[in-house]
Amino acid sequence: AQSVTQLGSHVSVSEGALVLLRCNYSSSVPPYLFWYVQYPNQGLQLLLKYTSAATLVKGINGFEAEFKKSETSFHLTKPSAHMSDAAEYFCAVMTGSARQLTFGSGTQLTVLP
Amino acid sequence: DSGVTQTPKHLITATGQRVTLRCSPRSGDLSVYWYQQSLDQGLQFLIQYYNGEERAKGNILERFSAQQFPDLHSELNLSSLELGDSALYFCASSRDTSGGPADTQYFGPGTRLTVL
Repeated sequence: AQSVTQLGSHVSVSEGALVLLRCNYSSSVPPYLFWYVQYPNQGLQLLLKYTSAATLVKGINGFEAEFKKSETSFHLTKPSAHMSDAAEYFCAVMTGSARQLTFGSGTQLTVLP
Repeated sequence: DSGVTQTPKHLITATGQRVTLRCSPRSGDLSVYWYQQSLDQGLQFLIQYYNGEERAKGNILERFSAQQFPDLHSELNLSSLELGDSALYFCASSRDTSGGPADTQYFGPGTRLTVL
């Protein structure tokens, strides 16, 4: 069975500071990994995805994530936080022929002025 | 705008009632997925349809059912509603090209269901 653990349900950073949102996965087969963002009262928007090509994946809005098999991690980073980055972020995994996403519990990011 | 539309945006109903949520996928997408987002359960996969056929089932209650029509739109039917069914219901769609890498799932804005 596959699963995703997001460490930290709430993360606060100052504007301009590094954003680091943690995601660890559990999967018996090579996974596909995703980060989605959810702004208030909106649906989920894909930030980036890992599909076994490059281990460092660049996404939209300056976000990137690195797949580390040895650590079973797929942490999301952004060098400099903007106020507009305040939202909830979800890590998700998909494996094998199954196409449904298994989501983590989400991390609410607050950006302080 | 993801290109996935869901109606209605909000739905308020009473326990024991039945409701239908509707989803129109992006043009050309063959797969439709339904997810439930609630405070206690988080985001959970319910069911997937591919080109009119049920492909995968997740944590979907027996009181819930879905279908995908020839024009590829999908409906999620929730019956004998309980207070605990109050949640945000998302529909997502993807191309789902078989044999290729994971296609991106594009999410609709959701339907917020409140059961009183």
